[in-house]
Formats: sequence, C-alpha cells, structure tokens
Amino acid sequence: DVKVTQSSRYLVKRTGEKVFLECVQDMDHENMFWYRQDPGLGLRLIYFSYDVKMKEKGDIPEGYSVSREKKERFSLILESASTNQTSMYLCASSFPGGANTGELFFGEGSRLTVL
Amino acid sequence: GENVEQHPSTLSVQEGDSAVIKCTYSDSASNYFPWYKQELGKRPQLIIDIRSNVGEKKDQRIAVTLNKTAKHFSLHITETQPEDSAVYFCAAPGGGGNKLTFGTGTQLKVEL
Repeated sequence: DVKVTQSSRYLVKRTGEKVFLECVQDMDHENMFWYRQDPGLGLRLIYFSYDVKMKEKGDIPEGYSVSREKKERFSLILESASTNQTSMYLCASSFPGGANTGELFFGEGSRLTVL
Repeated sequence: GENVEQHPSTLSVQEGDSAVIKCTYSDSASNYFPWYKQELGKRPQLIIDIRSNVGEKKDQRIAVTLNKTAKHFSLHITETQPEDSAVYFCAAPGGGGNKLTFGTGTQLKVEL
C-alpha cells in the first residue's frame, strides 16, 4: 500500500517567516508533486520533480521553492510567507513516465495559515 | 498549457438518481483523463481513468465517456448513494504529458 506522508497536518505561521513543508513517500516513486488546494480553484500545481535534484515549475511557482535531495523526500519551501499563501498543500507521487501514465498518490495535506 | 474547465461546481441529487459531471480540455494532444474523488477531510483518490484510444469505460456504478473531437469528457455515477457525496476532480495532462492540470472540482451531495 502506497504511503505518502506529510510532516505537518496543521501549521500557523507569521508573515515573513520561512516555512518548510516536508513530504515522504515509501514506494520508490520517481515523480513527486506539490499542489495547493483552494475552494473554487481546484488543485493547482506549484512544482514537480522527476528525479533527485531535479525540479520543474508548475503553474503557480511564484513565492515557492522546492528541494529534492533524496528520492523519497520532496520539500516545499516558502521563503517569506504571506497571507495569500494560506491554503491546503497536497503532496503527491507517481510511478515514472509522466503524469499521463498513471495514478497520483496524495498525502493527507498540510493546512497552512499565515497570519 | 492545458486548460481544464469543470461543471457544475455543485450538484445535489436524490439517492438512487444519476449524476453527471462534465469537463472540457484545451490541448488536443492530451491522451489520459483521470477522475479523483475527495471525501471530506481526506486525500484525493483516483476512481477511474480513460485513455484516448477508447470512448467509454465502466467500473460498476461509475463510467467515464470521452469525446476527443469535442474535447470533453464526463463522469457518470448511477444509483447514487450517500457515500458518493464528495468533491470530484477531473484532470488532463496536456501534450507534454509531464503534469496534470485539474478542474476546479464538483461538490456532489447525495440526499436521502
């Protein structure tokens, strides 16, 4: 059974703080993704990675960066948190071959509130 | 890039009725169309997907149809039950195939 674990379910941070969201998967998946989910806007892709030390921008990368030092771990970084980054953040992983070849396995989500 | 539009945003049906959710996409090179279900407080999970070489796929009470000419695909749920209440998302990868673009979601409520 695939397991995608996000380190924090709920976080409250202040404007300007640096925020780290961690995601770990245990199925040796090459592909990992970070989405944010907002009511009425669906799931929007922030960044994704197909391999260690590799990253590509998604549709809304501004204000975010990522790190993939190990295959199983994909971190999302908010260098200076702002109130408009208050959201639910979802990590996902999948087998290699691109997004058009199979299932995304999601984590439980991290709900971030920036005050 | 790919643009996916999903309708309706909310849908309320009586138990036992059918529900239909529709999505359109922009990139004619898209060849894979998954549907995800997200129950309240839980993670999205794949429920069915279809590839561009078929026009319809069924799995028990759910089915997906694809019209590549019109660039739209639909999710059909028959004999709806209370446990079908959830948010449903469609998605498409675009010609590059390296990332999924999701629709904005449909909140389905099945009323007793």
